[in-house]
Amino acid sequence: GAGVSQSPSNKVTEKGKDVELRCDPISGHTALYWYRQSLGQGLEFLIYFQGNSAPDKSGLPSDRFSAERTGGSVSTLTIQRTQQEDSAVYLCASSTTVVGAGRGPQHFGDGTRLSIL
Amino acid sequence: QKEVEQNSGPLSVPEGAIASLNCTYSDRGSQSFFWYRQYSGKSPELIMFIYSNGDKEDGRFTAQLNKASQYVSLLIRDSQPSDSATYLCAVNFGGATNKLIFGTGTLLAVQP
Repeated sequence: GAGVSQSPSNKVTEKGKDVELRCDPISGHTALYWYRQSLGQGLEFLIYFQGNSAPDKSGLPSDRFSAERTGGSVSTLTIQRTQQEDSAVYLCASSTTVVGAGRGPQHFGDGTRLSIL
Repeated sequence: QKEVEQNSGPLSVPEGAIASLNCTYSDRGSQSFFWYRQYSGKSPELIMFIYSNGDKEDGRFTAQLNKASQYVSLLIRDSQPSDSATYLCAVNFGGATNKLIFGTGTLLAVQP
């Protein structure tokens, strides 16, 4: 597709369950990012992929959070043993990258709204 | 701690006026700067990006960057009610990561 695609668009689950969120970046974009936006909060960086590698995972809030990317394309963000504070909109973005200056701007998907009961 | 600061607003302007949105950032080594527009309940949409000092114009939008003052702004000319949204300033501080640090956004309300 033309844009970043995320699924599901909404997810409601019980505390303690595991969830998987999926992101399909813009075709040809080598860089992929996950962010989180909680109610009344700014966007918070979680993890950055360049190809299938994650050079920066400094934003993952705990070891319950993990992400992978396969084939240089689709990425999955997994949250294990969900807690109520995990409720947020999880946004995926992708960009082209050029080593050095002039890195491409990031384009966001529509997000997954995650609600933990 | 690298930070991006914005006035949360709301910034209220009449239709047809110029809206001026401002952003400051903490790191002089910052490389690239972005403005996103976010409507309520929607995801951020890229409006402008700027890498070099000075002005960059695109239609009704002008981004201004002053690296010495660590200041970036967005001007919206001939503001329309459809411009009413939260405007997010984002900074790429460089280094090995390409992550963006976002401000908390300025809510713009254009009054018809």
